[in-house]
Amino acid sequence: GAGVSQSPSNKVTEKGKDVELRCDPISGHTALYWYRQSLGQGLEFLIYFQGNSAPDKSGLPSDRFSAERTGGSVSTLTIQRTQQEDSAVYLCASSLSGRAGYNEQFFGPGTRLTVL
Amino acid sequence: AQTVTQSQPEMSVQEAETVTLSCTYDTSESDYYLFWYKQPPSRQMILVIRQEAYKQQNATENRFSVNFQKAAKSFSLKISDSQLGDAAMYFCAYRSPTAYGGSQGNLIFGKGTKLSVKP
Repeated sequence: GAGVSQSPSNKVTEKGKDVELRCDPISGHTALYWYRQSLGQGLEFLIYFQGNSAPDKSGLPSDRFSAERTGGSVSTLTIQRTQQEDSAVYLCASSLSGRAGYNEQFFGPGTRLTVL
Repeated sequence: AQTVTQSQPEMSVQEAETVTLSCTYDTSESDYYLFWYKQPPSRQMILVIRQEAYKQQNATENRFSVNFQKAAKSFSLKISDSQLGDAAMYFCAYRSPTAYGGSQGNLIFGKGTKLSVKP
């Protein structure tokens, strides 16, 4: 079946603008994660959705970042009033369930965000 | 909080030879999962191998194997018979056993090792 897809693949925006990044997880996967990969850094966790439970937002770096997941499937990560330090690759991953640590997280190809 | 350290920012190996990538981690948990992910230039993260901490036997997947030393909190990846297609960033990752009890269920990554394969 299809893997995790993300759009757009690349996004260039001006400082101060809002951006929306989209993630389509693998069908049937109840867990969805957003990570950020900055140049020279590893991947840092942003937010985690598990089924219909309230998301774990503990990794979001500021209140300019928010995410939602509609109908337990598609997720949108929104960054308001973008700053240059927001430039990074944003990766989405999904797994069958986040409640079993052994479950593989399948990653999408990411969205490269550049804030000018 | 758990941390993952990859002390080798870059490594190089000759095609057909063997290379070992290092990873150490810090945790107070007794049960957990460890993963190695590969990220080629396409940015797509691909799971290479995983290890459950309660299993003493080292995981193996074809040319990829790990040396898991729980007491030393070490989880190295050995790539045998290296191929040009193995060239990529390799990330070591840690995960708590469940997403209950406040655990986020997310992966905690090291900063990666860039592997080059010379023909």
